[in-house]
Amino acid sequence: SQTIHQWPATLVQPVGSPLSLECTVEGTSNPNLYWYRQAAGRGLQLLFYSVGIGQISSEVPQNLSASRPQDRQFILSSKKLLLSDSGFYLCAWRRDTLNEQYFGPGTRLTVT
Amino acid sequence: KQEVTQIPAALSVPEGENLVLNCSFTDSAIYNLQWFRQDPGKGLTSLLLIQSSQREQTSGRLNASLDKSSGRSTLYIAASQPGDSATYLCAVVTGNTGKLIFGQGTTLQVKP
Repeated sequence: SQTIHQWPATLVQPVGSPLSLECTVEGTSNPNLYWYRQAAGRGLQLLFYSVGIGQISSEVPQNLSASRPQDRQFILSSKKLLLSDSGFYLCAWRRDTLNEQYFGPGTRLTVT
Repeated sequence: KQEVTQIPAALSVPEGENLVLNCSFTDSAIYNLQWFRQDPGKGLTSLLLIQSSQREQTSGRLNASLDKSSGRSTLYIAASQPGDSATYLCAVVTGNTGKLIFGQGTTLQVKP
């Protein structure tokens, strides 16, 4: 069976500090990978998606970036965090367009 | 641009009642529609996936229908229980990258 992991579960960081959130998927190969953000009072917003190693597409211009160094690893980064980066970050995967999308447990980020 | 709307935003019902959650989308050219459940502070749990060629899907006490031509989906929950209390989200896939476009969700409270 497939599982998806995210860490850390929670993170409190000061403004201007760097960020690295990691997501890994087990039990499948060549998944499509996604990063979403859920901000307080707002819906889920797609940030990045990847259809293969080194292939990253950005949905929303911001100070975040993503990388996919391995087939089942997806990393969300920032060089300098802003207050507006606070939120709940969710990683997801799917085999292809016609299959279900599965979500990880999320990372709660608070920028102070 | 695809937009997804869920009505009502919140719903409170007594235990045992049957209920319907609504989801509408503006562009009928979808690949599929997926219903999720989100408990407070948690990730998303997939409930049902309906392909664009299907009319409905069932899982236990849950039944989801899809009317692509009118841009509507409903999630029917039979014999509601307090454990069904959560936020329910619907999302559609409109591109071949598999990215989801979410509604704002319906927060359900089932009272014992």
